[in-house]
Amino acid sequence: DAGVIQSPRHEVTEMGQEVTLRCKPISGHNSLFWYRQTMMRGLELLIYFNNNVPIDDSGMPEDRFSAKMPNASFSTLKIQPSEPRDSAVYFCASSFTGTVGGYTFGSGTRLTVV
Amino acid sequence: SQQGEEDPQALSIQEGENATMNCSYKTSINNLQWYRQNSGRGLVHLILIRSNEREKHSGRLRVTLDTSKKSSSLLITASRAADTASYFCATDATQGGSEKLVFGKGTKLTVNP
Repeated sequence: DAGVIQSPRHEVTEMGQEVTLRCKPISGHNSLFWYRQTMMRGLELLIYFNNNVPIDDSGMPEDRFSAKMPNASFSTLKIQPSEPRDSAVYFCASSFTGTVGGYTFGSGTRLTVV
Repeated sequence: SQQGEEDPQALSIQEGENATMNCSYKTSINNLQWYRQNSGRGLVHLILIRSNEREKHSGRLRVTLDTSKKSSSLLITASRAADTASYFCATDATQGGSEKLVFGKGTKLTVNP
C-alpha cells in the first residue's frame, strides 16, 4: 500500500483565492482525519469522517473551511476565501476504527497564503 | 485544545545516551499513543499503551503510563542520530463512537553524533 496520499505537497496562493487540498486514505480504513499543524498551535484536529460521514467538525475554524468525503477513497478540504493566517501544514490521516494500530498520516500539504 | 502536554519542549543528547520524554494529560483516556515526526514529514505511529497497561516495550522504546497521575513517559535507549525528530503523545478519549485523538505540542529531540 502506498500509504495516505496527499496532494499537492506545496501550495502557494494569494489571499482571497480558493484552495483545495486532497487526500486518498489507505484502502480499507474507515476513518479519515484532517489536522492542521502550526508552530503556535501545534496539531489541531479539524474534522473527521467515519464511513464517509462527517462525525465531528468542531475543530473547523470557520465557515471558510469545508470538507467532503464523497467516497471511501477520497476526501477534500477546501478553504474559500483563503487568508494569510491559514498558512500551515495540513495533514490527512486514516485508520480502521477499533484497531490499535494508530493513525497513518500522509506527508502533508504545506499551504502558504500571501 | 491540547490534551497532552510534552515535557521537555526540546532535548539534546549524545548518541548512545538514553532520552526520556514525558507527557501529561487532563481527562480519562482509553489509550495513549506516541508518534514521531521527522522534519518536513508526516507523523509515524510508534506505540500504543492502553489505559489498563502500565508499561510497554517495542525495540529500543519503553513507554510507561500512570493513570493516577495522568502521565506517560517515552524512553528511547541507546539513542542514534537517526532518532532525531519531534515526538508527540496523543490521547484517545473516544466516547460513544466519537473518535478523537488529541496531540500535544511535542518534544524536539536532537541526537548528536
